[in-house]
Amino acid sequence: DAGITQSPRHKVTETGTPVTLRCHQTENHRYMYWYRQDPGHGLRLIHYSYGVKDTDKGEVSDGYSVSRSKTEDFLLTLESATSSQTSVYFCAISGGDRIGYEQYFGPGTRLTVT
Amino acid sequence: QKEVEQNSGPLSVPEGAIASLNCTYSDRGSQSFFWYRQYSGKSPELIMFIYSNGDKEDGRFTAQLNKASQYVSLLIRDSQPSDSATYLCAVNKSNYQLIWGAGTKLIIKP
Repeated sequence: DAGITQSPRHKVTETGTPVTLRCHQTENHRYMYWYRQDPGHGLRLIHYSYGVKDTDKGEVSDGYSVSRSKTEDFLLTLESATSSQTSVYFCAISGGDRIGYEQYFGPGTRLTVT
Repeated sequence: QKEVEQNSGPLSVPEGAIASLNCTYSDRGSQSFFWYRQYSGKSPELIMFIYSNGDKEDGRFTAQLNKASQYVSLLIRDSQPSDSATYLCAVNKSNYQLIWGAGTKLIIKP
């Protein structure tokens, strides 16, 4: 979606290195989310944010941290990457002035940990 | 029991026929229901949402909700090869969180 970008789009890194993924939105939506998607597991929530500096854990938060210092940016950090964190990571946004809280997704980041 | 369940498929449907995708959920308090389409290698995109019991139509797509039986379905009329994708069902957990099914892979055969 044009209103949500993720960077980088692809990354290969080595086990034990820190990695930061960035999500940027231009929609001024309140809520932002980080998911990972793996075959057989569907979308799993890592962390989410309900406002600037307001974040909370999802179902698979171990090994991940997040920060949101501005409405438009939500960062996901893997402190010490492991091979089990090889996945496709999606950022999503929701809220704003719409009801129902449907989520809109960024293009994704494919991360490979070797 | 998973909170949101979908048959993983693949579901194979001839071109021009009706594709029927189903989703069941466990939380009776859920109020918002969403269908997303995801092409291989792409991100999920919202195609429909429904809040009230009954049917909601948008072009070739119809979403059906039955809260008493706790299922939501998506019908795709006049199926086209371009409809081949994985369809994800999502149900609200709270006002700002969704619970996701694992998706049903749909294949439209020309």
